[in-house]
Formats: sequence, C-alpha cells, structure tokens
Amino acid sequence: GDSVTQMEGPVTLSEEAFLTINCTYTATGYPSLFWYVQYPGEGLQLLLKATKADDKGSNKGFEATYRKETTSFHLEKGSVQVSDSAVYFCALSRRGGADGLTFGKGTHLIIQP
Amino acid sequence: GAVVSQHPSWVICKSGTSVKIECRSLDFQATTMFWYRQFPKQSLMLMATSNEGSKATYEQGVEKDKFLINHASLTLSTLTVTSAHPEDSSFYICSAAGNYEQYFGPGTRLTVT
Repeated sequence: GDSVTQMEGPVTLSEEAFLTINCTYTATGYPSLFWYVQYPGEGLQLLLKATKADDKGSNKGFEATYRKETTSFHLEKGSVQVSDSAVYFCALSRRGGADGLTFGKGTHLIIQP
Repeated sequence: GAVVSQHPSWVICKSGTSVKIECRSLDFQATTMFWYRQFPKQSLMLMATSNEGSKATYEQGVEKDKFLINHASLTLSTLTVTSAHPEDSSFYICSAAGNYEQYFGPGTRLTVT
C-alpha cells in the first residue's frame, strides 16, 4: 500500500538557518503530494502541493519539488523564522486531495531566536 | 480560507459509554468529509470517508460498528465511538473536502477511563 516516510524530529534550528525536511513516498502511479503544517492548538493547514513530476510547490518562502525518480518531496526554506515553529506533515493523495490522505508521522520544527 | 470546527475539543468518558464528536464545515458545503485518528508520535491514519446522504466507507481494520459515522447534511458529519474502551483513547481529526483540497478541524482528544 501507499506510505510516506519523513524525518523524525524534533528538528531544532536557529533563526535564519536553512531548513530541509526530507520526505519520500511509496505509491503506484502518480499521486499528488502535499505538505501540511500544524501550529499549536490549530488544525492542519495546507502549506503547498504538487500534482505531477517536476512540479514545484511554494508558499510563504517554503518550497518542495516533486521528484519522481527519487520518489521524494523534500521541504525547504532558505531562512526560517521563530514563527515557523510547528509540526510539518508530508502526505500523498491518489485523487489530487479529493480522497483520504496518506500521511507521514510529522516533523516537529523548533526555531530558536 | 475555509473553516472546519470540531466539538468537543476534548472529552473524558468512562469505559462502556458512547461519545459523539461533531465535525462542521462553517463556511462551505462539503459532500465528502474524512475522519482520521492520530496516536502519539504517529501519523494520521484515515479511518473512514463520509459522504453526505450515504453510508460511510471504512478503511480496512476499522470496526464500522464501533465507529459510527453519520453525514446528515452538507455541513455536518458525526463520529460516535460506541462502547468506548481505553484503547480507543486517541486524537480524532476530521477534514472536509472542497475544491481539491482538504480543510482540517482542530481535532478532538478522547480519553477513556
């Protein structure tokens, strides 16, 4: 079956550091890929998505590129801020988000001033 | 963005009793809602897909007689945990599908004593 693997946390960085959170997936066909973010006390929010190979999703300074050859969708940001502290989930969908999502375990990101 | 609420945000119940959790889409109509379960330090696991006016579709391994789902309107889905036991203690999260994106509720923490 489908699965998503992402790096375990917590990941602790200093403000303005470069961020990479690795995500790889296993699925047949061409799923859509997502990054969701969960701030304390809030529901998951869509951060970015990509629906086909080589697509780059971007939002709020975060980027991720759909790499079919390496089955990866790593999340990056050039300069993190304290406000980026949250839990980040990588996920996939077979129907562009219209079906139930398969999630990774989540990565807790802590940014220190 | 679209808002999804859940009620209650946390609940404690005694073993053998039933608990109902509500999921509402506040500013849009959702023909499809999803219910997920999250264990500590684990990913969200899809439990079931709820379609307005029809029976829910449960994932393999989820007991449909224990986790009763009703999607009576385009803005409300409910999950009832029947005859709850301590192993049902978990974090339950719903999402509502709209425009090829899922909007998540903040979750409900269930503790069964």
